[in-house]
Amino acid sequence: GAGVSQTPSNKVTEKGKYVELRCDPISGHTALYWYRQSLGQGPEFLIYFQGTGAADDSGLPNDRFFAVRPEGSVSTLKIQRTERGDSAVYLCASSPVLAGGPSSYNEQFFGPGTRLTVL
Amino acid sequence: KNEVEQSPQNLTAQEGEFITINCSYSVGISALHWLQQHPGGGIVSLFMLSSGKKKHGRLIATINIQEKHSSLHITASHPRDSAVYICAVKETSGSRLTFGEGTQLTVNP
Repeated sequence: GAGVSQTPSNKVTEKGKYVELRCDPISGHTALYWYRQSLGQGPEFLIYFQGTGAADDSGLPNDRFFAVRPEGSVSTLKIQRTERGDSAVYLCASSPVLAGGPSSYNEQFFGPGTRLTVL
Repeated sequence: KNEVEQSPQNLTAQEGEFITINCSYSVGISALHWLQQHPGGGIVSLFMLSSGKKKHGRLIATINIQEKHSSLHITASHPRDSAVYICAVKETSGSRLTFGEGTQLTVNP
């Protein structure tokens, strides 16, 4: 079966431009996560969707970052007025439906990431 | 101080050696992941565990909840094991993962 896919795999843009990064989760996975990984560091949480709604967006660094998941499947991470400091690998992960309530947790499956370079 | 700390940051070994990578965390957790990341590649989950020990092939992961510590062991290491190994914890509240900075493992033939 298909895993999590992300497009594009690489994106080079100029400072100040707008970019969109796409994530296709594993079919049927209701939970979707966005992470950002800077060079030489571990990933950092950005936002988490349960279905169509953002259940936790506390990791978004500022209001230039926004993410949507209108139909509860594909998600788009949108970055406005990009800055050189936004350069990183943006990772998406999905997991199956949570069973057993908020304390339950299912394994996350990661996509290959989108490498964003802001010149 | 990071909530998740890994050691060592870098590790170089000769093929066949036994490898141990350590992870300590300071928060209450419900699960801990060990992840593998190859250069330019995505992240693969090796283990998810909340207690005890798990084994898969040459890989063994252990966790001590009381001591807030986990270890990843690789037996009979091979050059193809060269990668970054990342420890990530799922805190008791919320659904986010908090990641360590990773351990760069290089296994020389």
